[in-house]
Amino acid sequence: GESVGLHLPTLSVQEGDNSIINCAYSNSASDYFIWYKQESGKGPQFIIDIRSNMDKRQGQRVTVLLNKTVKHLSLQIAATQPGDSAVYFCAEKVMSNNLFFGTGTRLTVIP
Amino acid sequence: EPEVTQTPSHQVTQMGQEVILRCVPISNHLYFYWYRQILGQKVEFLVSFYNNEISEKSEIFDDQFSVERPDGSNFTLKIRSTKLEDSAMYFCASSEAELKNQPQHFGDGTRLSIL
Repeated sequence: GESVGLHLPTLSVQEGDNSIINCAYSNSASDYFIWYKQESGKGPQFIIDIRSNMDKRQGQRVTVLLNKTVKHLSLQIAATQPGDSAVYFCAEKVMSNNLFFGTGTRLTVIP
Repeated sequence: EPEVTQTPSHQVTQMGQEVILRCVPISNHLYFYWYRQILGQKVEFLVSFYNNEISEKSEIFDDQFSVERPDGSNFTLKIRSTKLEDSAMYFCASSEAELKNQPQHFGDGTRLSIL
């Protein structure tokens, strides 16, 4: 039968506000995490990564926080801009050299 | 900035036919990957390739699929006897080193439509 698409969590923010996108991962053995941004018709675009021996990593306007105790990852975007509107995926690497992607969150920035 | 390029951007094929999706990874990268994304679903790993051989593959990557690096720049995914459920976006990715040290960079994908 036809596959049913996943219902993406959505987040709407006002331009200029900060955005926080959350991700829960399932495998406590995951040792590397990446946040990707995917715009319509494009491939996943690397934003920021973090290794499991870190709790926080900052980039330009973005911060990733890792809480291994509760297996939670978040992406904070400061001063959100209309160009930030996209679907954001967290991805984790477990033992192997490939990525397991999360469901994704659709971020909509309201001008 | 270097990027992964994929061709064609859209491929329409009759069920049962063979397709070849092409990718040019970033030039100094050594690890290559194929992923697929069925419409509205997660991105799923298919296969990874290093040193001219498959290093890992998922359950999806069965005998219908094959990969090849025919020359120093191209990396291809061949799908034989295509089925309706093969319709998806197929993404190629590459990384300079093993994933624990370097992120994967993705191309913009090929949309495969099986009729």
